[in-house]
Amino acid sequence: RKEVEQDPGPFNVPEGATVAFNCTYSNSASQSFFWYRQDCRKEPKLLMSVYSSGNEDGRFTAQLNRASQYISLLIRDSKLSDSATYLCVVNVGAGNMLTFGGGTRLMVKP
Amino acid sequence: DGGITQSPKYLFRKEGQNVTLSCEQNLNHDAMYWYRQDPGQGLRLIYYSQIVNDFQKGDIAEGYSVSREKKESFPLTVTSAQKNPTAFYLCASSSPGRQETQYFGPGTRLLVL
Repeated sequence: RKEVEQDPGPFNVPEGATVAFNCTYSNSASQSFFWYRQDCRKEPKLLMSVYSSGNEDGRFTAQLNRASQYISLLIRDSKLSDSATYLCVVNVGAGNMLTFGGGTRLMVKP
Repeated sequence: DGGITQSPKYLFRKEGQNVTLSCEQNLNHDAMYWYRQDPGQGLRLIYYSQIVNDFQKGDIAEGYSVSREKKESFPLTVTSAQKNPTAFYLCASSSPGRQETQYFGPGTRLLVL
């Protein structure tokens, strides 16, 4: 079983739609959680951290469920510019190494 | 402007050849990392360095070597022992006390001729 698992997609949605991605992690000792965004053929960039209480940044909402060991990302009012691959990232705390999921690809259509 | 630079953007390797990928940062970060990304897959850690003159193997270190002689620089050598080197190589760095947040360079695409 992979340490961090994501549905690879692609998720094809129309502009203005709401879309949600889930990610599961296997190590219950994981301490920190993040969503990174990666555009095609570019480097990943931090989108947002994920906190136990849930957090929101504009149209983006991240949630953490420690009991079920999953993380979610909700994007409201999708824009064409949201088209990218979203990487779920977990820090298990050992030397602060990050473990990356395979990514979920989002394609927002006009 | 502070940031991480990687060069070259594209690199071609012949059979049996060693090639070196450059990574430089002026963010004053102590920790630096090298990842490999294959199409449709997540990033896998090759090597990392928490401090100058020290580095550790990641999950897929075989066929690679690194050095960390300066804080700003963390070059990666892909040796001839790496039988499947074609991939997108990403360098990252993180600051003291915030090592869970990593900043990435633009990457180097390595292709085998």
